[in-house]
Amino acid sequence: NAGVMQNPRHLVRRRGQEARLRCSPMKGHSHVYWYRQLPEEGLKFMVYLQKENIIDESGMPKERFSAEFPKEGPSILRIQQVVRGDSAAYFCASSPVQGPVAPYEQYFGPGTRLTVT
Amino acid sequence: DAKTTQPTSMDCAEGRAANLPCNHSTISGNEYVYWYRQIHSQGPQYIIHGLKNNETNEMASLIITEDRKSSTLILPHATLRDTAVYYCIVRVVGGGSNYKLTFGKGTLLTVNP
Repeated sequence: NAGVMQNPRHLVRRRGQEARLRCSPMKGHSHVYWYRQLPEEGLKFMVYLQKENIIDESGMPKERFSAEFPKEGPSILRIQQVVRGDSAAYFCASSPVQGPVAPYEQYFGPGTRLTVT
Repeated sequence: DAKTTQPTSMDCAEGRAANLPCNHSTISGNEYVYWYRQIHSQGPQYIIHGLKNNETNEMASLIITEDRKSSTLILPHATLRDTAVYYCIVRVVGGGSNYKLTFGKGTLLTVNP
């Protein structure tokens, strides 16, 4: 069973360009989470998605950032008009379900390291 | 979610047990204790979780004090590959936003040869 896959692993963009980060969850997982890790900082929750639905995007900047998880295909985190402050490692995680009683562990991908020049 | 306090760093000799403490004195009755680790430049890896009983799996053991105000993650025979930042996370159970993992600064465990 393949783990969570993210691509690209490294992405370099110039200021003002768009960055698209892809995440394929583990087989059988229908819940996806995106986290961001700025240099020398801890991981911060950005957004939680189920197939075709954004459940919680409270951790995502209001402008320039968007996320989707279509019925078919990977989840996409899109950053428009990137700035130097967007340089970070972006991690995707997935879980099979999220129950009302016991929270399920999340399995993380290897991350995409975005560098904005 | 309750806050956690961990030492910034710890050292351990290869082959010895690594005991990583975590303080979560404000934990409430419906909160689990989770442990993740992040090896340099990799994604976080789930290790173990528990509510009030001690837990063991193939990776580690989790000891939770009776009052649940602190816990210890034990790696019984540390190897060089266990060098990583270890995060202790408290997660609420039931409703709300219990899916969010709130990572602190964690403990950098360095296993020395």
